[in-house]
Amino acid sequence: GAVVSQHPSWVICKSGTSVKIECRSLDFQATTMFWYRQFPKQSLMLMATSNEGSKATYEQGVEKDKFLINHASLTLSTLTVTSAHPEDSSFYICSARDPNQGDTEAFFGQGTRLTVV
Amino acid sequence: AQSVSQHNHHVILSEAASLELGCNYSYGGTVNLFWYVQYPGQHLQLLLKYFSGDPLVKGIKGFEAEFIKSKFSFNLRKPSVQWSDTAEYFCAVNAQNSGNTPLVFGKGTRLSVIA
Repeated sequence: GAVVSQHPSWVICKSGTSVKIECRSLDFQATTMFWYRQFPKQSLMLMATSNEGSKATYEQGVEKDKFLINHASLTLSTLTVTSAHPEDSSFYICSARDPNQGDTEAFFGQGTRLTVV
Repeated sequence: AQSVSQHNHHVILSEAASLELGCNYSYGGTVNLFWYVQYPGQHLQLLLKYFSGDPLVKGIKGFEAEFIKSKFSFNLRKPSVQWSDTAEYFCAVNAQNSGNTPLVFGKGTRLSVIA
């Protein structure tokens, strides 16, 4: 299957700093990528839809100025958590579909565990 | 909008026991249905999916799921679990023919298999 790679796998940062998470589709081009957030023992909650060459679409309740999404190329989307606070500590996961495989499964990155201290 | 309900939060089974994890969805139209597994420290992996056709779907590692349209259900089953099946299981749905839309996930069921 297609491969989606996230970097870093985990990061610890100080409160008030910004953190960038990368999501890459390694063997296909993705015009759309999805960013999810997963709290401990909870489900994946969609944060935003990243669209190549245009603005991301954010879900209700997600601060667009805090979670900056850039989808500058067909293989890379980045999520930047700005001015991070401890409550932003979570597991962030991206996903994408391979358009060559039609309307099928979504492939997921391995996730990034963010800890803000 | 779609929603997914997984009723079991944590299931504990002995090896060789049979497994059934419940999944119900809420949506008025036609859906695609998925089960994903997340092993400790690893990313989500697809177990199986249903788009159309035979409502009994077989996936990897001996898992299967049955789509019952009248019950809006897509329960996951395995006749005999192994210790290595210990993981978090997520049911997910999205609307068919809706373009590249995100999946909506249930809250997940943690499966612990003991020797």
